[in-house]
Amino acid sequence: EDKVVQSPLSLVVHEGDTVTLNCSYEVTNFRSLLWYKQEKKAPTFLFMLTSSGIEKKSGRLSSILDKKELFSILNITATQTGDSAIYLCAVEGRTSGSRLTFGEGTQLTVNP
Amino acid sequence: EAGVAQSPRYKIIEKRQSVAFWCNPISGHATLYWYQQILGQGPKLLIQFQNNGVVDDSQLPKDRFSAERLKGVDSTLKIQPAKLEDSAVYLCASSFPLGLGSAYEQYFGPGTRLTVT
Repeated sequence: EDKVVQSPLSLVVHEGDTVTLNCSYEVTNFRSLLWYKQEKKAPTFLFMLTSSGIEKKSGRLSSILDKKELFSILNITATQTGDSAIYLCAVEGRTSGSRLTFGEGTQLTVNP
Repeated sequence: EAGVAQSPRYKIIEKRQSVAFWCNPISGHATLYWYQQILGQGPKLLIQFQNNGVVDDSQLPKDRFSAERLKGVDSTLKIQPAKLEDSAVYLCASSFPLGLGSAYEQYFGPGTRLTVT
């Protein structure tokens, strides 16, 4: 059974801080790892990672995948209060028909 | 482009009652997913459709949950009878491309928050 473990489960920082969110996984026939941001209700897509060592960047957010050690990190620099949300990590296996297995998420709170 | 639409947004029912949720995916998206998200947990896939066919329903509690996607567009998810542990947010998502490709960019709807008392 595919499994995703995220850490920390919650994190409180001040505006301007840099944060690193962790995601480790076990999946049969890995296809991709995805990061989502969830505010209030619907998760919104951030990144999809398929290859080790290639950093994906979008503004102040970046993510990288290590397929040998089976983990990914999501970095947020110069955090803002608008970054407060739950960050979800999910993995997809080739045998699962594109089913995503999600972790519990990291609740990030950015205080002014 | 219009997003994934879901209704109702909130529903409160008593245990043993029935409830149905509706989802309209993004136009042109062949793949549709229903997820259950219990408070404090990540979403869990219940069922995945490719057009109007079921691709994966291995985690759907079939004794009480059912879903259909007639004509390959809109979908409904039903719970009958509901239990207290069904209290959760039910998320619908859709994705492109056609075929059993990657889960690239699943677009989620706003969800329906179900409370079973």
